[in-house]
Formats: sequence, structure tokens, C-alpha cells
Amino acid sequence: GAVVSQHPSWVICKSGTSVKIECRSLDFQATTMFWYRQFPKQSLMLMATSNEGSKATYEQGVEKDKFLINHASLTLSTLTVTSAHPEDSSFYICSARDRRAGATYEQYFGPGTRLTVT
Amino acid sequence: DAKTTQPPSMDCAEGRAANLPCNHSTISGNEYVYWYRQIHSQGPQYIIHGLKNNETNEMASLIITEDRKSSTLILPHATLRDTAVYYCIVNSGGSNYKLTFGKGTLLTVNP
Repeated sequence: GAVVSQHPSWVICKSGTSVKIECRSLDFQATTMFWYRQFPKQSLMLMATSNEGSKATYEQGVEKDKFLINHASLTLSTLTVTSAHPEDSSFYICSARDRRAGATYEQYFGPGTRLTVT
Repeated sequence: DAKTTQPPSMDCAEGRAANLPCNHSTISGNEYVYWYRQIHSQGPQYIIHGLKNNETNEMASLIITEDRKSSTLILPHATLRDTAVYYCIVNSGGSNYKLTFGKGTLLTVNP
């Protein structure tokens, strides 16, 4: 149980285009999903928290107009990187928190999406 | 949230127990200790969490000291597939349930 999928697993796009990444919780409902970014040899950095039915909360320094997040249902959140530039090339990872988790913090992570902007 | 300190790297022989330490001396009473691991180029994987008591599941055991200022994650019989970066995270509460990842410990299991 507790499986999270991401699509696509990797994508190459040209500078200036937009890319959408999907995050799905397959066997549980997630009221909260999180989006992280990870550069090579660095740790995960939280970009934003996505709550179903409401606007995402972005971490300091993350441009909300550039990284559009939509959490339309209890099993799907999307991250759209708009007007991508080479510096946006990174490993994007989503996670989901089971709505039955109560007060604890365990999250289940997707396999990640490798974005390369040329 | 309390800060954690982990050694940057550790080695372990295959089949032996891997003991990964974590210091969290500023932990407060309502903060849980969480362990995740990340195998290269994959998303992190939840391992275990605990508050005060020692915990065990099919993956690992978590030993928390009585004063809760440190903990140890134990992989009882490490395999090559356990080579990964292991993250110890302490979180308190709040409606967003955010996790803050530090640099973790790179565990290398050697044949």
C-alpha cells in the first residue's frame, strides 16, 4: 500500500516552454501533497505544500507564478513549470500524506521526475 | 523544529547490522523522530518513526534514548540494496506537516 506515482519519469524540453508533472496517490487519499526539488548531490528542498481544494503554500524564494500547483482531487496534484529555463533542470519529487495519518508526519514519495531544459 | 546531526557517511559489511546515529538534542516533548532513506535517483522511502518508545517494523528498528536527545536506526541484516542516504528528521506539529530534509548519512553496504 501507500504508493505514489509520478508522470513523466523524465522529460526534456526547450527553454521557454512549459512542462506539467503529475503526482498521484494510487491506493490512498491525500489531502496534502508536497513538491520538492533536488539538485545533484544536494538534499531535497521543499518547494510547496498542496492542499486539496485550496491554493498551494509556497516556500520562501519559490516563485508561485513560475511553479503552478493544482490539487484538484484527493489523489492528484500537478506541478507546471512555466517558461522553463536551463536552471530549472532538476529532479522534482512529490509526496503525499495519507489523510488517515492523524497527527504524524509520514509521507509517501513518488519516484521523481527528471527535468532537463535545453 | 529541532535540528538533527548525522554523520555524513558510514560503511557496513553485507549481512551485518547497520547502526545509524542521529543527534537531536533540542527536541521538544511533542516532536516525533522520523527516518527516511533515498536510494540514488529515486524518491525517498519512509522507514519508521517514533516518539518515546523504541519501535520496530519489517524494515528496521528505532532506538530512542530515554532523554530523547538522540536515536539510532538499526538495519539488522544490511544488504547491498540498503545502500542509500538515510535522513533523520524531527518534526513537531502544525497543520502543514512539512518535513525538512538535512544532508543525511550515506550508508554504503559493502560485499
